[in-house]
Amino acid sequence: SQQGEEDPQALSIQEGENATMNCSYKTSINNLQWYRQNSGRGLVHLILIRSNEREKHSGRLRVTLDTSKKSSSLLITASRAADTASYFCATAAQIYSGGGADGLTFGKGTHLIIQP
Amino acid sequence: NAGVTQTPKFQVLKTGQSMTLQCAQDMNHNSMYWYRQDPGMGLRLIYYSASEGTTDKGEVPNGYNVSRLNKREFSLRLESAAPSQTSVYFCASTWTGRGGGYTFGSGTRLTVV
Repeated sequence: SQQGEEDPQALSIQEGENATMNCSYKTSINNLQWYRQNSGRGLVHLILIRSNEREKHSGRLRVTLDTSKKSSSLLITASRAADTASYFCATAAQIYSGGGADGLTFGKGTHLIIQP
Repeated sequence: NAGVTQTPKFQVLKTGQSMTLQCAQDMNHNSMYWYRQDPGMGLRLIYYSASEGTTDKGEVPNGYNVSRLNKREFSLRLESAAPSQTSVYFCASTWTGRGGGYTFGSGTRLTVV
């Protein structure tokens, strides 16, 4: 079953605007990760946030995690046409100390379109 | 570094045929995974190998078998393909214990007719 659910399912914005995607999950986690998938390609790891962290930054990406609400958000600032892709959140369960030995559980993704 | 390499990239099978999807990683990762992705869906875990010599079922293992040939290679076999197995298959690997991200291959697009 799907652990994460992204919201919205699709998002279209103008180049230069900020894009925010949300993810909710159901069970306790060790960490939560965000991936990008360009059409017809494999997934690319963007950022990982651990369950004891609340916010993390990487370049134009900002991720927040609220374990009490079992939710996360991904913010892409100053969007570019090249950011057009599907974005997935994925959770690693709290089974092993490092989390994720038994695989990540993915949501259905948010399809982001950046209009030039 | 090549990362995760999957072969073939495309395949068409007739119902009942068998085939093996190959996956190899050159990052010395200990854990490897097979996922399938269907239209409008996220990825669903088929099988995984937490370490060399071990394999376990994921969410959707029926109709598949796997072999962890060595630390680098993890293959997925369809013994008798069915149209419901039409999908895009992704192999991934990671170093479990560091709690890091996964590296994915570019996928195999399989059509069963």
